[in-house]
Amino acid sequence: DTEVTQTPKHLVMGMTNKKSLKCEQHMGHRAMYWYKQKAKKPPELMFVYSYEKLSINESVPSRFSPECPNSSLLNLHLHALQPEDSALYLCASSGPTVNTEAFFGQGTRLTVV
Amino acid sequence: KQEVTQIPAALSVPEGENLVLNCSFTDSAIYNLQWFRQDPGKGLTSLLLIQSSQREQTSGRLNASLDKSSGRSTLYIAASQPGDSATYLCAVSNTGGFKTIFGAGTRLFVKA
Repeated sequence: DTEVTQTPKHLVMGMTNKKSLKCEQHMGHRAMYWYKQKAKKPPELMFVYSYEKLSINESVPSRFSPECPNSSLLNLHLHALQPEDSALYLCASSGPTVNTEAFFGQGTRLTVV
Repeated sequence: KQEVTQIPAALSVPEGENLVLNCSFTDSAIYNLQWFRQDPGKGLTSLLLIQSSQREQTSGRLNASLDKSSGRSTLYIAASQPGDSATYLCAVSNTGGFKTIFGAGTRLFVKA
């Protein structure tokens, strides 16, 4: 099973809402990632968790709050987003060592209204 | 700061042609390089991973090479098919292996 599952596939939220994106993998990977991708642009790294600990935060605004409850799950909590945060949010996993293939989910298409 | 460049930005070829996509990176201290495919509005599908100590990897009609010293990788697609139409992204990992930087991609269109 080389699958990374993201839910929901689509999300529309208002600027005052609180919502969460979820990501799950059962490949035994110990690194999990959140990326943001705007239309016709490459993915941009947001956060990296390694062994359930936050190891990289690419200066992401605090309205995005990641959480890694266990080795299989990764959440991204959203609060007070702006319309410019509308994008495709991609989750990925790799590991347990650094030199392994990264697998991506199908993404959550987020629209902030 | 690592920068990844992909050339060409877009490519249109007739079915059956062999083609080469190029990727270059500025910092040769990489852990690995990975090629992905992305269909419109979808996630990324991993095609090939090349470790920093390797020179090439092959999977079916795809062959990827890596020349770390010159900061270059190529993705060779043999006998292209309309189903190969997608955006192809090159990504390099360094800084402990977890920080992945993507190129802007090459949009490929294979005409039937």
